Amino acid sequence: GAVVSQHPSRVICKSGTSVKIECRSLDFQATTMFWYRQFPKQSLMLMATSNEGSKATYEQGVEKDKFLINHASLTLSTLTVTSAHPEDSSFYICSARSWGHGANVLTFGAGSRLTVL
Amino acid sequence: AQKITQTQPGMFVQEKEAVTLDCTYDTSDPSYGLFWYKQPSSGEMIFLIYQGSYDQQNATEGRYSLNFQKARKSANLVISASQLGDSAMYFCAMRPLISSGSARQLTFGSGTQLTVLP
Repeated sequence: GAVVSQHPSRVICKSGTSVKIECRSLDFQATTMFWYRQFPKQSLMLMATSNEGSKATYEQGVEKDKFLINHASLTLSTLTVTSAHPEDSSFYICSARSWGHGANVLTFGAGSRLTVL
Repeated sequence: AQKITQTQPGMFVQEKEAVTLDCTYDTSDPSYGLFWYKQPSSGEMIFLIYQGSYDQQNATEGRYSLNFQKARKSANLVISASQLGDSAMYFCAMRPLISSGSARQLTFGSGTQLTVLP
């Protein structure tokens, strides 16, 4: 089946630094990828839609200058948390659509847990 | 607008027994898809099962089945013969199949934490 690889799985950084998270579709091409954020014991909230070759589409309330998204190729999207602060600490998870089970199914990466000190 | 409601924040089930996780939804879209995902403590989201609103039969995938009642707008997940490894958070989600752009993205419910007891 389709596999989405996300790296790093955990990252700890100091306040004010930037952190980059990579999301790769391993065995399929993804012109569109999605970035979600999840707080402990809560549901996933869509942050933005990453579009290959064009600008990302951000959901309402998500700062585009804080969360930079680049979709450089058909298999790679990156999320950069710029000038991270403790309130940015969260679980970030990416996904891409692939065809399976008779439908377009979102395949998720394993997620990246960011802790900002 | 779409809304997914999971009214059970936590559920317990004895190993080898069946369990039903509730999911109701609200949408004005004529055509939509319903999904269930499992999220173990490791964090990854694992796709379990899909049901299209136009499907006549309830979806099944191994020990997972979806009890789809369109008139009631419910899409409950049934797990048969529970195993210890089934302990996880379970999310119900839906998306319209016709709309474009961000409106086509998945909307998730708040999740149900399932604990399988030995």
